[in-house]
Amino acid sequence: NAGVTQTPKFRILKIGQSMTLQCTQDMNHNYMYWYRQDPGMGLKLIYYSVGAGITDKGEVPNGYNVSRSTTEDFPLRLELAAPSQTSVYFCASSYLGGANTEAFFGQGTRLTVV
Amino acid sequence: RKEVEQDPGPFNVPEGATVAFNCTYSNSASQSFFWYRQDCRKEPKLLMSVYSSGNEDGRFTAQLNRASQYISLLIRDSKLSDSATYLCVVTDGGATNKLIFGTGTLLAVQP
Repeated sequence: NAGVTQTPKFRILKIGQSMTLQCTQDMNHNYMYWYRQDPGMGLKLIYYSVGAGITDKGEVPNGYNVSRSTTEDFPLRLELAAPSQTSVYFCASSYLGGANTEAFFGQGTRLTVV
Repeated sequence: RKEVEQDPGPFNVPEGATVAFNCTYSNSASQSFFWYRQDCRKEPKLLMSVYSSGNEDGRFTAQLNRASQYISLLIRDSKLSDSATYLCVVTDGGATNKLIFGTGTLLAVQP
């Protein structure tokens, strides 16, 4: 099992560019999450999904979009990148989304917008 | 009010010390509770779940007080390797039961 795999690990974007952060998990988890973590701060939920075809906004969804066409994949799309989106992005997955189940995280994508 | 609030850090303690972290949550409907550990520039990893009766895993003890909506983590005999950020995590109590993270408390164990 690879667990949760995120790509790329690092990226520098120019203001106004777009990109997709990839996330895939091989544990057949139904729940998947995208968080961002600014330096010295906690994790903020961007979007989450409770299963294929179902997504919902988290705390900070503006400037991002997601899709969940398969159980395994949960890509995060940034349109028109802004300096405020400079952050570390973590994807996570879990089986039931709580109730004593563990959330597994990818290694993160460090994004800088210049 | 934040959904999950933790002690402000950092906590600087000598090796061998006992240190306690506290966490409060705002939603009385929250059902599941966890402590995660995050090393510098790494992803968070589950340290332990928190059960209603309290639970212990080696040097780590977690307690839950549902009436006060309060969670704690006690680390005994601190090691240098315990230096990390400790994140309090609860489920949001809604239909989707998604995870809500606290901002974390930084622990630095000094030799």
